[in-house]
Amino acid sequence: NAGVMQNPRHLVRRRGQEARLRCSPMKGHSHVYWYRQLPEEGLKFMVYLQKENIIDESGMPKERFSAEFPKEGPSILRIQQVVRGDSAAYFCASSPIREQGGTEAFFGQGTRLTVV
Amino acid sequence: AQSVSQHNHHVILSEAASLELGCNYSYGGTVNLFWYVQYPGQHLQLLLKYFSGDPLVKGIKGFEAEFIKSKFSFNLRKPSVQWSDTAEYFCAVNARNTDKLIFGTGTRLQVFP
Repeated sequence: NAGVMQNPRHLVRRRGQEARLRCSPMKGHSHVYWYRQLPEEGLKFMVYLQKENIIDESGMPKERFSAEFPKEGPSILRIQQVVRGDSAAYFCASSPIREQGGTEAFFGQGTRLTVV
Repeated sequence: AQSVSQHNHHVILSEAASLELGCNYSYGGTVNLFWYVQYPGQHLQLLLKYFSGDPLVKGIKGFEAEFIKSKFSFNLRKPSVQWSDTAEYFCAVNARNTDKLIFGTGTRLQVFP
């Protein structure tokens, strides 16, 4: 059973370009979460999705950022018109349907985005 | 709003020393608690978790953590660290019956042989 797969591992974009980050959850997992890690900071929650639904996007910047988790295929985090401040590591996590009490999230290896 | 505080940002130890990393959270309701570890260049891996029951939780690689509800704390401990424990450690919380994990800022542990 492959773990959470993220690609690319490293992504370099010039200011103003678009960045697309992909996340394939573990087999059987229907929940996907995106987190951003800035240098010297912890992981900041961005968005929580289930198939074809955004459940909680309270951590997403209001502009330029969007996320989807289609019925088929990976979850995509899209950043339009990137700026230097978007440079960070972006982690995806997945979990199965929540069991009574709580559920563990499994993390991918992250995509390190560098905006030049 | 929930928040998690990890007061030790950088800890340096010699092998065989004992380790305790602090974690405090703020949330008035019932919570689930987690410690994750991130080895250099790798993804986050779960060390241990607390959902309910015995507040002393044992995890992988000899780690344990104790949930003290009255102190809103979930400190991570290991009696004798090894060089291979060099990594970044993250405490995380979610409110019971929600799915959003809130992370602390992490503690970087360096263990010297």
